[in-house]
Amino acid sequence: QVQLVESGGGVVQPGMSLRLSCAASGFNSSIYAMHWVRQAPGEGLEWVAVIYTISYDVNNKYYADSVKGRFTISRDNSRNTLYLQMNSLRAEDTALYYCARDRRVGDNDAFDIWGQGTMVTVSS
Amino acid sequence: DIQMTQSPSSLSASVGERVTITCQASPDSSSYLNWYQQKPGKAPKLLIYDASNLETGVPSRFSGSGSGTDFTFTISSLQPEDIATYYCQQHDNFLRFTFGPGTKVDLK
Repeated sequence: QVQLVESGGGVVQPGMSLRLSCAASGFNSSIYAMHWVRQAPGEGLEWVAVIYTISYDVNNKYYADSVKGRFTISRDNSRNTLYLQMNSLRAEDTALYYCARDRRVGDNDAFDIWGQGTMVTVSS
Repeated sequence: DIQMTQSPSSLSASVGERVTITCQASPDSSSYLNWYQQKPGKAPKLLIYDASNLETGVPSRFSGSGSGTDFTFTISSLQPEDIATYYCQQHDNFLRFTFGPGTKVDLK
């Protein structure tokens, strides 16, 4: 069964750090681009970051302007796991964080598999 | 960043009614567009990819069309299980991704 399971969310104070994990099962995540997408309470979807395979894009990692320089996306192919290191957290980073698989068909990237999300709350 | 608009932001329709949502992207977008459905408390689900291709397992009452910067998503006959928020999504030529603001569909 193809599945993504996020973990690592919690309540942290502003300025603190948190690392999210996304464990893939039922498929080899190393051959796919993988994304983080977040959703603040009652709000819409906001793309956060993508990591491509080295073979597709040597630069490999891209970020939304809102998190650039604070968040780092990475992957451990041996563990079939995606990560999001979040530093210098702000109240506006409070959201449900989803990981999603990128299915590329031609030049189109679609998020075809999603996890259930892990909640991050930044509050003093 | 690319800018995306969706219209309307919300709508109410009766069971069996035709529902249409439009999505407009800025000219610097990639011209590839996908549509997602998100039910309350659930993760989004891919319905339509590359503007008009129905994802496997998605009912045929859902469809998409359009190209360039103007796209349309249609539910041909609204069903109670279609109550959800629908999002369009694109990426730009710098591999940054954007979702539209969403359209909430309710039953009248």
